[in-house]
Amino acid sequence: GNSVTQMEGPVTLSEEAFLTINCTYTATGYPSLFWYVQYPGEGLQLLLKATKADDKGSNKGFEATYRKETTSFHLEKGSVQVSDSAVYFCALSALSGNTPLVFGKGTRLSVIA
Amino acid sequence: SAVISQKPSRDICQRGTSLTIQCQVDSQVTMMFWYRQQPGQSLTLIATANQGSEATYESGFVIDKFPISRPNLTFSTLTVSNMSPEDSSIYLCSVIPAVEAFFGQGTRLTVV
Repeated sequence: GNSVTQMEGPVTLSEEAFLTINCTYTATGYPSLFWYVQYPGEGLQLLLKATKADDKGSNKGFEATYRKETTSFHLEKGSVQVSDSAVYFCALSALSGNTPLVFGKGTRLSVIA
Repeated sequence: SAVISQKPSRDICQRGTSLTIQCQVDSQVTMMFWYRQQPGQSLTLIATANQGSEATYESGFVIDKFPISRPNLTFSTLTVSNMSPEDSSIYLCSVIPAVEAFFGQGTRLTVV
């Protein structure tokens, strides 16, 4: 079956540090890949997505590239801010609205000033 | 896209009671998904709700404990029955109109 393996946290970084959160997946076919973010006390919101191999999703300075050869979708940001402190979830989806997302375990990021 | 209104946003309930959570979507969708997020954990799928048929439950979740209604293509409810402190979690509904998933804001439930 489909699965997502995500780097476990917590991760603590100083402001302006470089961030990488690793995510690898196992899936049949060609899934879409997502990063969701959950800020303290809030629901999940989409951070970025990629729907086919070699696509790069980007938003708010975050980037992730869909690497089919390594089955990876690592999240990166060149310079984190305190406001980026949140829990980040990697997820995959079959190409159908009738199939729920499969989530990684989540990575808690804390950015200190 | 889809906008989901979920309520209540939070509640504190006595053990042994039940709570019904509602999700209203601003567009028609075939499937709605219900998740549980225990403290500090990822999302666990409870069940998939399809309009006009019984919900499909994941391993470890049963209809008697988590009855679901799906009366039409824009609305669903999840009831947490006979609650115990172990049911304290965030409950979320979700829809996938195309590829991307959209979530309600979540219901933070505390059972005392």
